[in-house]
Amino acid sequence: DVKVTQSSRYLVKRTGEKVFLECVQDMDHENMFWYRQDPGLGLRLIYFSYDVKMKEKGDIPEGYSVSREKKERFSLILESASTNQTSMYLCASSFGVNQPQHFGDGTRLSIL
Amino acid sequence: RKEVEQDPGPFNVPEGATVAFNCTYSNSASQSFFWYRQDCRKEPKLLMSVYSSGNEDGRFTAQLNRASQYISLLIRDSKLSDSATYLCVGSRGGATNKLIFGTGTLLAVQP
Repeated sequence: DVKVTQSSRYLVKRTGEKVFLECVQDMDHENMFWYRQDPGLGLRLIYFSYDVKMKEKGDIPEGYSVSREKKERFSLILESASTNQTSMYLCASSFGVNQPQHFGDGTRLSIL
Repeated sequence: RKEVEQDPGPFNVPEGATVAFNCTYSNSASQSFFWYRQDCRKEPKLLMSVYSSGNEDGRFTAQLNRASQYISLLIRDSKLSDSATYLCVGSRGGATNKLIFGTGTLLAVQP
């Protein structure tokens, strides 16, 4: 069974802080993804990575950056957190970019 | 127009009923289709892939209609435990062919 682990289930940060969300997968998947999910807007892709040190912008990359130094780990960085980044953040991985994605438990991030 | 569009519901059905959801997609180059299930405050989980010829998994049947650009999910003999949000997923096509998630259809199965 694929296991995608996100570092925190709940996180509270302050406006202007630099925030790191970590994600690790154990299935040697090439592709990893970061989404945010908001009521009525569904899942929106922030960034994805198809290989180590490779990254590509998704639909809403503004205010975020990512890092993939090792195949199993994909980090999402909020450079300077703002209240409109309060959301549920979901990490996913897949064998191929159009293959089913397997999600972590999610991180509920609140920016105060 | 949204790339993947679903009726948000809610669909309120009694136990044992048959319920069907449709989902339309706008990109004719889409190659991959899935249905996911998401319980309240949990992560989405893959329910089933959708194949061109249609496919069945127990009480669940998925179909793809490329001519009309929609996919469907049929749930027979609904259980209370089927209550969840069902996400329709297509792909963007092209070189990266990223998955595009619909906003979900809420199903509430009543005793």
